[in-house]
Amino acid sequence: GENVEQHPSTLSVQEGDSAVIKCTYSDSASNYFPWYKQELGKRPQLIIDIRSNVGEKKDQRIAVTLNKTAKHFSLHITETQPEDSAVYFCAAASGYSSASKIIFGSGTRLSIRP
Amino acid sequence: NAGVTQTPKFQVLKTGQSMTLQCAQDMNHNSMYWYRQDPGMGLRLIYYSASEGTTDKGEVPNGYNVSRLNKREFSLRLESAAPSQTSVYFCASSVAGTGGQPQHFGDGTRLSIL
Repeated sequence: GENVEQHPSTLSVQEGDSAVIKCTYSDSASNYFPWYKQELGKRPQLIIDIRSNVGEKKDQRIAVTLNKTAKHFSLHITETQPEDSAVYFCAAASGYSSASKIIFGSGTRLSIRP
Repeated sequence: NAGVTQTPKFQVLKTGQSMTLQCAQDMNHNSMYWYRQDPGMGLRLIYYSASEGTTDKGEVPNGYNVSRLNKREFSLRLESAAPSQTSVYFCASSVAGTGGQPQHFGDGTRLSIL
């Protein structure tokens, strides 16, 4: 089955700097790659996603890149702000199941230093 | 529009007790999911339901049962609770369709087994 590895597990950056989180996946049939943000004690919330027919997607300060050949994808956050502090999860969905079964990475705790 | 609603929000059980966690969504989604979240391990899929009337095992189904009561509701039952089932449980829903779809999460149930 699918396996998703996420690095680093913790990341601390200066406010205003960029943050990059990387994930690799094992199933070459995976075709959907969402990123979720989870603030302390809250539900995970989708912040951006990308499908396998696209190499890059941007939404304001957030971007995701996908390299299907190498089976890895990354989240880039520019001009980081205190409210970006949270745990971020990458995920991958395999194949074409109508249930959209998603496998999550283990998470990255991002801290923004003032 | 409430989205995904989970009850209860908190629960403490003794080993061997049984309990049902409730989940309901009002977004007319076909697919629903149950995850558990343990510290440092991300979200692991317990069971999912692609559509009303169907359920399938996820990564960690042992010790749990589910019921898709109707299109809106998907419950998770612990028949004989064990301390290893202490966790935060999240329910999620998504539209059906080929490939992956964004999942919408509830606020979670914090369950402690003594």
